[in-house]
Amino acid sequence: LAKTTQPISMDSYEGQEVNITCSHNNIATNDYITWYQQFPSQGPRFIIQGYKTKVTNEVASLFIPADRKSSTLSLPRVSLSDTAVYYCLVGTHLDNAGKSTFGDGTTLTVKP
Amino acid sequence: DTGVSQDPRHKITKRGQNVTFRCDPISEHNRLYWYRQTLGQGPEFLTYFQNEAQLEKSRLLSDRFSAERPKGSFSTLEIQRTEQGDSAMYLCASSSRQDHSYEQYFGPGTRLTVT
Repeated sequence: LAKTTQPISMDSYEGQEVNITCSHNNIATNDYITWYQQFPSQGPRFIIQGYKTKVTNEVASLFIPADRKSSTLSLPRVSLSDTAVYYCLVGTHLDNAGKSTFGDGTTLTVKP
Repeated sequence: DTGVSQDPRHKITKRGQNVTFRCDPISEHNRLYWYRQTLGQGPEFLTYFQNEAQLEKSRLLSDRFSAERPKGSFSTLEIQRTEQGDSAMYLCASSSRQDHSYEQYFGPGTRLTVT
């Protein structure tokens, strides 16, 4: 199973764009890259998923270079409510189900 | 549907007691997962079900832990002879079988404190 490496913490200010990079050097051909957000005392919440290039939804963008050994979650114009832990996972729904590990995530703190 | 629900939300028990948690997944989801999360760490996979079949168990799931999903709907996680090291948040998640999505929907968790 691919192991991921993320920064432990990041600070930002309201209105800024935040980019969180995840390294996954051993990503397999069939693996997808998925990001979750977790607030204190809540379960993680799916943010975005991608396989290659760029994926965008209403809350974030995910940039994946051609070699897929890393990915960057981009949060545009963050607000105080974006303060949370962000987890990067790699794996496949069909083969690994829930076996991919969350790691310790990146704690994002948004300041006023 | 209101999402994944878990019961109870909090449980305090004395060391050596047995506890049981319940998870009700999103109704059309055939996959159900249990995770354990301790303070400051990410969720750790424990086990998962596809319908009523338990297909994978982590090494973390000692013989004191047992999980069931008897009718392919709700699931229970039982911990026997609890130890202080079992204190954690126990998370349940569900997903449906889709070609590519790895999206799991998580419940609010059950926080277990073993005294």
